[in-house]
Amino acid sequence: GIQVEQSPPDLILQEGANSTLRCNFSDSVNNLQWFHQNPWGQLINLFYIPSGTKQNGRLSATTVATERYSLLYISSSQTTDSGVYFCAVDTQEGGAQKLVFGQGTRLTINP
Amino acid sequence: GAGVSQSPRYKVAKRGQDVALRCDPISGHVSLFWYQQALGQGPEFLTYFQNEAQLDKSGLPSDRFFAERPEGSVSTLKIQRTQQEDSAVYLCASSLGGRGRRETQYFGPGTRLLVL
Repeated sequence: GIQVEQSPPDLILQEGANSTLRCNFSDSVNNLQWFHQNPWGQLINLFYIPSGTKQNGRLSATTVATERYSLLYISSSQTTDSGVYFCAVDTQEGGAQKLVFGQGTRLTINP
Repeated sequence: GAGVSQSPRYKVAKRGQDVALRCDPISGHVSLFWYQQALGQGPEFLTYFQNEAQLDKSGLPSDRFFAERPEGSVSTLKIQRTQQEDSAVYLCASSLGGRGRRETQYFGPGTRLLVL
């Protein structure tokens, strides 16, 4: 099956810093989503981005489908950005849209 | 409701006990998914429903796991004769369209199951 690798596994930054999280995947995808899992375990949708670039406030994401990677950018980070960021992909043509998740990047923003 | 809800939020079970986990998807959402998240790992797919039909159960780890969605809305994941390795967070997600539609999946807060 498809492999999803996220890097770095851990990232510790000071408040106000910028960060880039990477997601590599081993096959063509029909769907790619970025999630933020907060300290209470809730998975929060950030982007649905199988290709192209999207921005939402301080966050933006780019997926280059032909090169099989996606990047999540966080600018001017805040302590509330702390948590685990997951990339998830789906490769099923016409089938159930079951997501395959990476191992996540744990982001810690210190005040 | 505004989002996917799950209950209970926490469940402690003795080994061998049966448990039932409930998921209320977003109203009108056709697709419903269950995932299992072990500590320190990403979620892993368990099963998929389109309305009341269970179309994919390839991720269920054993025949002790059973899921249903009899009226095409609320779903229940049942685990029989729980084992310690079943301890995990069980996440439910829903999306608007049916099979073949590529759309955002919205996740509930999860049920944290601890088997002693």
